[in-house]
Amino acid sequence: ELKVEQNPLFLSMQEGKNYTIYCNYSTTSDRLYWYRQDPGKSLESLFVLLSNGAVKQEGRLMASLDTKARLSTLHITAAVHDLSATYFCAVDRIQGAQKLVFGQGTRLTINP
Amino acid sequence: ETGVTQTPRHLVMGMTNKKSLKCEQHLGHNAMYWYKQSAKKPLELMFVYNFKEQTENNSVPSRFSPECPNSSHLFLHLHTLQPEDSALYLCASSGRGLTDTQYFGPGTRLTVL
Repeated sequence: ELKVEQNPLFLSMQEGKNYTIYCNYSTTSDRLYWYRQDPGKSLESLFVLLSNGAVKQEGRLMASLDTKARLSTLHITAAVHDLSATYFCAVDRIQGAQKLVFGQGTRLTINP
Repeated sequence: ETGVTQTPRHLVMGMTNKKSLKCEQHLGHNAMYWYKQSAKKPLELMFVYNFKEQTENNSVPSRFSPECPNSSHLFLHLHTLQPEDSALYLCASSGRGLTDTQYFGPGTRLTVL
């Protein structure tokens, strides 16, 4: 059974600091996704990572994938308050329609 | 409208009621999904439809009944629900590309009394 674990589950940090969210998954997967969810809102796609060593960056967020370690990281650089949200990673196998398995989510709070 | 829309946004129902949730996608995608998001569990995939055919039922109780009349519309029919079914129900759609991601609707917040 494919399982996805994120840590930390809760993260409170100050503006301007750097931090990393970790996502481990239990079995071989073909794709890894990062999503953001604001309170009371739906999920917004951030990144899709396919191959070992893949790195994608958007603004202050950078995601990477190590398929051998079954680990993805979401790195936040010089955090700003607007990045406060819950971040989810998810994985799936390429087999027709996507069947995502999600992690528990990391609730990130960035304080001024 | 663009993207993925869901109606209603909020629903309160009794355990003996029958109601339906509606999802519509305007993205030309072939696959549609229902998810359940509750406070105590990670986001759970419930059903997957690919080109109108159900390809996944993730051990969902029969009191939840999905319907996909075409690739743009997805329904979730609800009957004799339990209070523990109270949650946010999210619909999503995706295309066939290797790097395609799922686009989520705003969700329906369901409360079962």
